[in-house]
Amino acid sequence: DAGVIQSPRHEVTEMGQEVTLRCKPISGHNSLFWYRQTMMRGLELLIYFNNNVPIDDSGMPEDRFSAKMPNASFSTLKIQPSEPRDSAVYFCASQISGGTGELFFGEGSRLTVL
Amino acid sequence: AQRVTQPEKLLSVFKGAPVELKCNYSYSGSPELFWYVQYSRQRLQLLLRHISRESIKGFTADLNKGETSFHLKKPFAQEEDSAMYYCALTHTGGFKTIFGAGTRLFVKA
Repeated sequence: DAGVIQSPRHEVTEMGQEVTLRCKPISGHNSLFWYRQTMMRGLELLIYFNNNVPIDDSGMPEDRFSAKMPNASFSTLKIQPSEPRDSAVYFCASQISGGTGELFFGEGSRLTVL
Repeated sequence: AQRVTQPEKLLSVFKGAPVELKCNYSYSGSPELFWYVQYSRQRLQLLLRHISRESIKGFTADLNKGETSFHLKKPFAQEEDSAMYYCALTHTGGFKTIFGAGTRLFVKA
């Protein structure tokens, strides 16, 4: 297995543009997490899904952020419209619920909003 | 409310010196604690978890429920230990995992 796959790895966009980040979890993992990493705040949990259902989105900063998981092998995180303060590295992670609790992370998507 | 606190953003030690990365947590239930590590140009990955009571790459961490701490220790730091370390907490049997802000460890030659 190639592990958790995220795309794009890097994204540079202008303020006001829509950004879509994508994630493919490890096959067989039924929990998926989106985190945001910044120097100031470290890793913040944005939202997580279990069996494709959003369980807790209390970490989503504001209505400009949305996430979907239409099937077990794909999830998106969308920012519309984007702002410079959204610049960060966005990580996706997957997990087998009821397992050891270990999270398996993707390589991250580095977003820069100008 | 759940919270994980790592008070040090940066920790710099000399090779061969002992190292301790601090982690304190706030949680009302029964938590599971983890340490994750991110080496340069690598993915964030699990280093160890408290329920395993294991030593990985010479690192150990003991859960102290009285002090609500889960400090990461290594008696003799190596240059290859230089990385970003995150302490994490999840509810036993649960899904939600939250992380501290991270500590960057720099081991000098």
